Amino acid sequence: AQKVTQAQTEISVVEKEDVTLDCVYETRDTTYYLFWYKQPPSGELVFLIRRNSFDEQNEISGRYSWNFQKSTSSFNFTITASQVVDSAVYFCALSEDDYKLSFGAGTTVTVRA
Amino acid sequence: DVKVTQSSRYLVKRTGEKVFLECVQDMDHENMFWYRQDPGLGLRLIYFSYDVKMKEKGDIPEGYSVSREKKERFSLILESASTNQTSMYLCASSRRTAGLGQETQYFGPGTRLLVL
Repeated sequence: AQKVTQAQTEISVVEKEDVTLDCVYETRDTTYYLFWYKQPPSGELVFLIRRNSFDEQNEISGRYSWNFQKSTSSFNFTITASQVVDSAVYFCALSEDDYKLSFGAGTTVTVRA
Repeated sequence: DVKVTQSSRYLVKRTGEKVFLECVQDMDHENMFWYRQDPGLGLRLIYFSYDVKMKEKGDIPEGYSVSREKKERFSLILESASTNQTSMYLCASSRRTAGLGQETQYFGPGTRLLVL
């Protein structure tokens, strides 16, 4: 069974629009970690955020923000005022142990000028 | 900055060939990982290593083997390449966990392998 679901396969927006990427996860553990990565066309995954299950505070980093809600098992990611450079594939991932990451299928974001 | 490098960005091989994919990290990380990435499936873990000469199977180890003779280098081996191994291969590394959950994995640029 898929542990991380990213229901949106592709999202296309015009520059300066906000875009929210959904991530729903499934786990029975009380301690776990959630991650978001960005994969630009160059191919390398770029780490964006790591969040543990005990920290439900929302986080903002520049134009990026994350909304973690344990009650709905979601860890959504919003890009505010999107730019063309935000065009990439974005992956949400879940870690339930010290080594393995379970990735979602990814959401392709296209920002048009 | 963490630097993870992979020996090739693109590789074309014939069915049945033995293929070596090399990964090197310069951050003295204990853990190293090999993933393959396929459209619609995200990244899937093939093998990982938590120390020199140590290896553990991931979710899809069949058809692959690995080697870790030095801390900074982790090799993925396709003993006899098949067309269904055509994929993007990504290497990652991370520090050993300090008992506070998984540390962040840092990724290389990937190798696109085409098996004909």
